[in-house]
Amino acid sequence: SAVISQKPSRDICQRGTSLTIQCQVDSQVTMMFWYRQQPGQSLTLIATANQGSEATYESGFVIDKFPISRPNLTFSTLTVSNMSPEDSSIYLCSVSAGFSYEQYFGPGTRLTVT
Amino acid sequence: AQSVTQLDSQVPVFEEAPVELRCNYSSSVSVYLFWYVQYPNQGLQLLLKYLSGSTLVESINGFEAEFNKSQTSFHLRKPSVHISDTAEYFCAVPGGSQGNLIFGKGTKLSVKP
Repeated sequence: SAVISQKPSRDICQRGTSLTIQCQVDSQVTMMFWYRQQPGQSLTLIATANQGSEATYESGFVIDKFPISRPNLTFSTLTVSNMSPEDSSIYLCSVSAGFSYEQYFGPGTRLTVT
Repeated sequence: AQSVTQLDSQVPVFEEAPVELRCNYSSSVSVYLFWYVQYPNQGLQLLLKYLSGSTLVESINGFEAEFNKSQTSFHLRKPSVHISDTAEYFCAVPGGSQGNLIFGKGTKLSVKP
């Protein structure tokens, strides 16, 4: 299994500002995923980040709003840009365990935008 | 496209009662199925998974789920729940070309004394 940490664990931000969320894994992984969990909702994939290539975004999510970096095989960042109250969510990063599609999740970053 | 349906958004039960959380999936290809649990203010943890073999899979804390191909279901059961089982439970299947998971909307299990 993989151990994943995220920073910050929570934050309260003002609208119009940006927040960068960090995700650190204790082992090298090829693919990292960023999900959003809006209040009372399920998880929705934002994008997939592979080291050495541009992130692949799901429909409804764009790079200008959610830029992602993946500088090496153990680290990734997600930035939530120009925030509005609708961006208030839990943001989770995850990594694939391998061929079985099993994923390990970080503890999440709880973001509140005022 | 793959999809997962969790029929119950909330399930309140009394401690030591049995519980079943329902999950149905749509798939015409090989199936991998997962249940994740999210305790209050925490991230997701894998509870159990079906990859192949025995259709009945068990977790270390007494939950079990049975893969039923004919009914396209993967219901989660526990014969006697504890207060500590209070959490939100998500059923998931692989989806998309990125290797990501598709999650159901979740079922909030509330165990009352």
